[in-house]
Amino acid sequence: KQEVTQIPAALSVPEGENLVLNCSFTDSAIYNLQWFRQDPGKGLTSLLLIQSSQREQTSGRLNASLDKSSGRSTLYIAASQPGDSATYLCAVRPRDQGGKLIFGQGTELSVKP
Amino acid sequence: NAGVTQTPKFQVLKTGQSMTLQCAQDMNHEYMSWYRQDPGMGLRLIHYSVGAGITDQGEVPNGYNVSRSTTEDFPLRLLSAAPSQTSVYFCASQRERDTQYFGPGTRLTVL
Repeated sequence: KQEVTQIPAALSVPEGENLVLNCSFTDSAIYNLQWFRQDPGKGLTSLLLIQSSQREQTSGRLNASLDKSSGRSTLYIAASQPGDSATYLCAVRPRDQGGKLIFGQGTELSVKP
Repeated sequence: NAGVTQTPKFQVLKTGQSMTLQCAQDMNHEYMSWYRQDPGMGLRLIHYSVGAGITDQGEVPNGYNVSRSTTEDFPLRLLSAAPSQTSVYFCASQRERDTQYFGPGTRLTVL
């Protein structure tokens, strides 16, 4: 059974710091991995999607990497800002299981001015 | 495009009542899913569909029914509401191997 784990559960950093969020999964048979952002009381917004054949994706200050063989992904946020404060979730799409996503519990990020 | 829309935004039910949470998408996506989000449990898949007329169970399907008569709509029915179904419900849609798009959620309280 696929399990997704995110460490740490919560993170507080000063503004301007570069930071890394971690995601690990137990089964490497995945189609892709997505990183989402969730603001309090809101829905999920997709940040980056990495297909199983890719190693990384970049969008602005965000860079996500994928190492399928070791079951790990990282989300790198450069020059963090208070507006980056949110919960970040990673999710894997298992191979041959339709449109299912398996989510981690998320990392709650707080960026202090 | 409106994207993924959900109604209602908030709902309070009494134990034993039934109701339908509505979900619609205008992106012509084949895949649609329902999740519930609970503190400490993360997002868990309830039911999903890979196309009109095709549905399947997710991780926590008990107490919920779904149907997919059109590509656009994917309603979630609570048959007999229980306090354990108090949660935030999210609908999502995607094309195969593409980004999953989420609706704004429905906050349900069962008394």
